[in-house]
Amino acid sequence: DTAVSQTPKYLVTQMGNDKSIKCEQNLGHDTMYWYKQDSKKFLKIMFSYNNKELIINETVPNRFSPKSPDKAHLNLHINSLELGDSAVYFCASSRERGSTTNEKLFFGSGTQLSVL
Amino acid sequence: ILNVEQSPQSLHVQEGDSTNFTCSFPSSNFYALHWYRWETAKSPEALFVMTLNGDEKKKGRISATLNTKEGYSYLYIKGSQPEDSATYLCAFKRGAGSYQLTFGKGTKLSVIP
Repeated sequence: DTAVSQTPKYLVTQMGNDKSIKCEQNLGHDTMYWYKQDSKKFLKIMFSYNNKELIINETVPNRFSPKSPDKAHLNLHINSLELGDSAVYFCASSRERGSTTNEKLFFGSGTQLSVL
Repeated sequence: ILNVEQSPQSLHVQEGDSTNFTCSFPSSNFYALHWYRWETAKSPEALFVMTLNGDEKKKGRISATLNTKEGYSYLYIKGSQPEDSATYLCAFKRGAGSYQLTFGKGTKLSVIP
C-alpha cells in the first residue's frame, strides 16, 4: 500500500478552469503538507495542516485553497488556473505533533499540472 | 528569507569512487537538518534527520555530518554505485516554533558505470 498517495498523477487543463488534487496518507500522521516544485526545481512549502488545523500558509495566491476533511486527507483546490500554475505539486506527511518535534517527511509521488 | 545552499549543483563520478557534497544553512536559531534522496520519477525519501552539533549519521555507504556552529552539513557516499544516482536534497528547520522545512536546490549525482 502506498503510504502517501496523491491523484491525479498528471493533470492537463485549460486556463481559467478550477481543479483539485487529492492527497491521502495511511500512516496515521498528524501533519500534512503541500509543496510546489518551481521552475528552478526548488521545493517550496505552500500549506501545512496539523490535525485538520492550518499551521502554515505561505504567500500563495488565494486561488489556492487547501481542504482537510480529516487528518488523513489534505486536498488542494485551485481556482481560475493560470499558465504560471504549471508545476509539480507534492503532498507530504509527517508524525510531527508540535513544532518542537522533529520528524521526517514522507512524500507522495507528485502531480504534474500543465495549464494550457 | 532563509538561504539553504547546496554545492555542487551536479556531480559526475565513476562507479567505485567516493564523493561528498555540502549543504550550508543559517547558523543561528538552528533546530534540525534533513537529508533526502530523490530519484528521477520518484518521490523524495528521507535519509537522515540531524539535530545536534557534531552529529554523524550513517546508512549503509552513505553518511552525513553536521556542524551547527558554522552552518554546514556534509553528505558522503563511499564507493558510489549507479543506483546512487539521484538528487540529494537538504532541508533546514529553524528554531522551535516552526513546522517549516526550507529546502536547498539539491545536488544531482550521476554515477557512471
